[in-house]
Amino acid sequence: NAGVTQTPKFQVLKTGQSMTLQCAQDMNHNSMYWYRQDPGMGLRLIYYSASEGTTDKGEVPNGYNVSRLNKREFSLRLESAAPSQTSVYFCASSGQGGSEQYFGPGTRLTVT
Amino acid sequence: SQQGEEDPQALSIQEGENATMNCSYKTSINNLQWYRQNSGRGLVHLILIRSNEREKHSGRLRVTLDTSKKSSSLLITASRAADTASYFCATDEGNTPLVFGKGTRLSVIA
Repeated sequence: NAGVTQTPKFQVLKTGQSMTLQCAQDMNHNSMYWYRQDPGMGLRLIYYSASEGTTDKGEVPNGYNVSRLNKREFSLRLESAAPSQTSVYFCASSGQGGSEQYFGPGTRLTVT
Repeated sequence: SQQGEEDPQALSIQEGENATMNCSYKTSINNLQWYRQNSGRGLVHLILIRSNEREKHSGRLRVTLDTSKKSSSLLITASRAADTASYFCATDEGNTPLVFGKGTRLSVIA
């Protein structure tokens, strides 16, 4: 039982490049989330998926897209990376909104 | 946004002392949760307290909730060096995504 896994762990992009962050959970959770964490800012919600087949914007969705591929997987795509997207990205899952969330180990992204 | 605000931003104590962190929020909530984050890691859930509960315990952790003051506190008793981490509160309004505060950085000195 791996919980929530994320790939890659580290990534360096040049401005304008694109990439997809992958997230998978093996807890049969309905809800999945993508957050970014910047120094002194806590966690900010980018997008979430309350259930398979649905996605909704969070607090800071601009510059990102998501896909809930199936119940297990929720990916985050940066179409044209910008230095302002340098951050640590966390994926999380929960049985339902408002319940305990389980977090992945994070992806450290640097955009130069 | 009803983001929780933790206080203090940073706290440094000696091993064996108690650590108290506070969280204030702005609007009515369904649940309030506390999470711990060790450096370079993801967040780990510690405890959930419902809006109709006033106090909850889990091992060395004690959480209180005062909905009239829109505040919660997390007490860690007999702290250990391994408790060094950042602690976040998070609130929800009922089947909605959690909203996290900015966290309290706790340093426990051996």
